[in-house]
Amino acid sequence: GDSVTQTEGLVTLTEGLPVMLNCTYQTIYSNPFLFWYVQHLNESPRLLLKSFTDNKRTEHQGFHATLHKSSSSFHLQKSSAQLSDSALYYCALSVYGNEKITFGAGTKLTIKP
Amino acid sequence: EAAVTQSPRNKVTVTGGNVTLSCRQTNSHNYMYWYRQDTGHGLRLIHYSYGAGNLQIGDVPDGYKATRTTQEDFFLLLELASPSQTSLYFCASRDWGDAEQFFGPGTRLTVL
Repeated sequence: GDSVTQTEGLVTLTEGLPVMLNCTYQTIYSNPFLFWYVQHLNESPRLLLKSFTDNKRTEHQGFHATLHKSSSSFHLQKSSAQLSDSALYYCALSVYGNEKITFGAGTKLTIKP
Repeated sequence: EAAVTQSPRNKVTVTGGNVTLSCRQTNSHNYMYWYRQDTGHGLRLIHYSYGAGNLQIGDVPDGYKATRTTQEDFFLLLELASPSQTSLYFCASRDWGDAEQFFGPGTRLTVL
């Protein structure tokens, strides 16, 4: 079945440094949808980014990600971390016609002053 | 934006107890989902539904039943609760043709 791998469970950075959270996926289907969801403390997950177009950069709220089907990756990046970016980040995969979304295990990002 | 509500927000029960978690969405979305969230496991799908009267089995269904009574309402039932079911439960919905899911605020369940 489909799967999503987020290699880092915990990431701690200093404010102002760049952020990169890794996400790779596996699916037999050629047209996946990839998502990043963000969950702040005591809140529910909400969509941050989504993409289904190969090699096209998607941006929202200072974050960006590019779907690379050749490497099955959808890494999340930001040029300069802010304290408010501290949250749990989920990478997720869906394929057209499949009612389910497959979530990765999540990466907890902590930004320190 | 979709509105998804859950009740209760917190629940404590004992082992062997009977628990029902409720979810309502008010944007007429076709799909509704129940997840549990545990540290180290992320969001795991329990059951889901694509319409009233329909139920699909998710990835971690053991010990859970669910029922979709209307387009708006989706219930999760734990008939013999166990401590391993202590978790944070999220309901989510999405529309046909749009893969984005909208989550409710969550229900924290503790089984003693």
